[in-house]
Amino acid sequence: QVQLKETGPGLVQPTQTLSITCTVSGFSLTSYYMQWVRQTPGKGLEWMGFIRSGGSTEYNSEFKSRLSISRDTSKNQVFLKMNSLKTEDTGVYYCARDMGAYFDYWGQGVMVTVSS
Amino acid sequence: DIQMTQSPASLSASLGETISIECRASEDIYSNLAWYQQKSGKSPQLLIYAANRLQDGVPSRFSGSGSGTQYSLKISGMQPEDEGDYFCLQGSKLWTFGGGTKLELK
Repeated sequence: QVQLKETGPGLVQPTQTLSITCTVSGFSLTSYYMQWVRQTPGKGLEWMGFIRSGGSTEYNSEFKSRLSISRDTSKNQVFLKMNSLKTEDTGVYYCARDMGAYFDYWGQGVMVTVSS
Repeated sequence: DIQMTQSPASLSASLGETISIECRASEDIYSNLAWYQQKSGKSPQLLIYAANRLQDGVPSRFSGSGSGTQYSLKISGMQPEDEGDYFCLQGSKLWTFGGGTKLELK
């Protein structure tokens, strides 16, 4: 069955870089786009960016300058890296499988706190 | 960017009551609208896609309708397990979420 699971640090210091891994099973990353979404107290759910089945990426302009999404298809993993973290980046980060105009499966999410 | 305005922000319903949640888009999104339920501490679960298509396994008391810029989610007969937060998502031009509706059992 389709499963997605995010892993990452619970705590990141301001100005540092966040790295999260999404490990998927039950489908191939070469057949589906993969999305990153976050949920923060200040802004709710926000679309962050995605990686296409062919490997190209696109980002929300809100994050474009500091966000990078990549993948390792051999390990069924998608990666999110975001630099220059601020306290307002505190929230839950999700990966999700893209079905075009909507996302069908989501990971459990990983809580990230930005604090010194 | 397309903006999604969701209403109401919160709602309290009695057991068996029928409720509706609305999402209004800032421009035509051509039925590229999905609805999600999120329970406390969990990830969003897909209920409806393409404005009115019920996701497999979702109870038939959930239904979606709308077109153009106006969309709604209806729950026909509130159940205790329906408590939670509900979000819309437009996928016409990139993706934007609505602000959410907190639904509680009265």
